[in-house]
Amino acid sequence: DAKTTQPPSMDCAEGRAANLPCNHSTISGNEYVYWYRQIHSQGPQYIIHGLKNNETNEMASLIITEDRKSSTLILPHATLRDTAVYYCIVSDMNSGGYQKVTFGIGTKLQVIP
Amino acid sequence: GAGVSQSPSNKVTEKGKDVELRCDPISGHTALYWYRQRLGQGLEFLIYFQGNSAPDKSGLPSDRFSAERTGESVSTLTIQRTQQEDSAVYLCASSYSPAGRPGEQFFGPGTRLTVL
Repeated sequence: DAKTTQPPSMDCAEGRAANLPCNHSTISGNEYVYWYRQIHSQGPQYIIHGLKNNETNEMASLIITEDRKSSTLILPHATLRDTAVYYCIVSDMNSGGYQKVTFGIGTKLQVIP
Repeated sequence: GAGVSQSPSNKVTEKGKDVELRCDPISGHTALYWYRQRLGQGLEFLIYFQGNSAPDKSGLPSDRFSAERTGESVSTLTIQRTQQEDSAVYLCASSYSPAGRPGEQFFGPGTRLTVL
């Protein structure tokens, strides 16, 4: 798997957009970008993923640069419940048809009232 | 429907004892993963099961660790002769991967293991 780098922590004011960056400069053509988050004392939760195009769902938007070397997760209106560790990972399907991934330490997002 | 469940939620054991951790994946999910998360750290991949294929055990840290899965259902992670460094949260995840693209993983709440 390609490695990713994320800032260790970020703050965001409640109600404002949270923009979480991720660098994945060694990503290969068949690797997807996935985002998960982990709220304190819970298991990680899937947020969104993409390959080349920008993606949006009910939770967030994912912006992937044209060269695919970086991406940004956008939470459009952060709430206190969005305080969590956010993990950016890249993954493809190996010959066995699954993704073996490494979750780094992620970005700890603190939403401030 | 029910999500991934794990039991026990907490386990305290003495050094040298064996422990068994259980994971019930989402019904119909063919893939099952085990991870370890030490305090303040990211998730460390341990082992992966996919249907009836041979599991990928490449992440198991030592031969004290083993895991089994019956078909596409329950999985058990066993740690023999536990050591203090085994203290961590053990997370299980399952996924269903449509042909041609990776599937998102659904995580259980984890088992917090404390080795005294």
